[in-house]
Amino acid sequence: NAGVTQTPKFQVLKTGQSMTLQCAQDMNHNSMYWYRQDPGMGLRLIYYSASEGTTDKGEVPNGYNVSRLNKREFSLRLESAAPSQTSVYFCASIESVLNTEAFFGQGTRLTVV
Amino acid sequence: AQTVTQSQPEMSVQEAETVTLSCTYDTSESDYYLFWYKQPPSRQMILVIRQEAYKQQNATENRFSVNFQKAAKSFSLKISDSQLGDAAMYFCAYRSPFSGTYKYIFGTGTRLKVLA
Repeated sequence: NAGVTQTPKFQVLKTGQSMTLQCAQDMNHNSMYWYRQDPGMGLRLIYYSASEGTTDKGEVPNGYNVSRLNKREFSLRLESAAPSQTSVYFCASIESVLNTEAFFGQGTRLTVV
Repeated sequence: AQTVTQSQPEMSVQEAETVTLSCTYDTSESDYYLFWYKQPPSRQMILVIRQEAYKQQNATENRFSVNFQKAAKSFSLKISDSQLGDAAMYFCAYRSPFSGTYKYIFGTGTRLKVLA
C-alpha cells in the first residue's frame, strides 16, 4: 500500500552537479507529474506525462529533464544544478480516466549550494 | 494557458467559526475539474473537495463546501465549525478535461490559522 514513493527525501548538491529524482507509483495510474514548491509560489508544474510514452512541459521546465521509464516510474533530472533550483519537489499521479484525484509523494527537499 | 489565483496568502479563524478561502481561475476550456487540497505541516497533500465544471450543484464534504461560480470563474472554499486540525496550507487546483492537455495546476496557496 505504498502509493507514490519518491527518493531521496533530502539532498544537498553543489552548483553544477547533476542528480535524478526518482518517483514510482503502484496504483497503475496513467498520468504522472513533477512539481516544485517554493514559499509564496505554491506548487508549480515542471513536467508531466499524460500516459506512458509521452511527456510535456509544464510552467517551469527550464533546467530539468524527465523520463517516463514505464507506467510506474517518472524521473526528474537536473543536469547542472543551480541555487535557484533549491526547492521541495513533489511527484504526483492520477488514474486520469475514472478518477481525477492526485496522489502525492512525500516530497524531496533539495538544497543547491 | 490556464491559471489559478489565490489572493489571500494568510487567513485566520476562531475555532468553531466559519471561514471562506477564495480562488479564481482563468481558462478557455468549457469542461474541467476544480479541487481544494490541504497541506498540513507534514507536507502530505490531502484532497479536501472536488467540483466538476459541468455540475451546477456546489460540492459539499461534511464541514467543507464550495461556492462555484462558473461564469465568474470563481471557486471558493467554506469551512464551517473550524477545528484546530484544519490549520494548514490550502491549495486551489485546476485540471484540464480528459480530452485536453491533462495539465493539473495549482494556486499559490492560503495559509489558514485556527485560533483557540
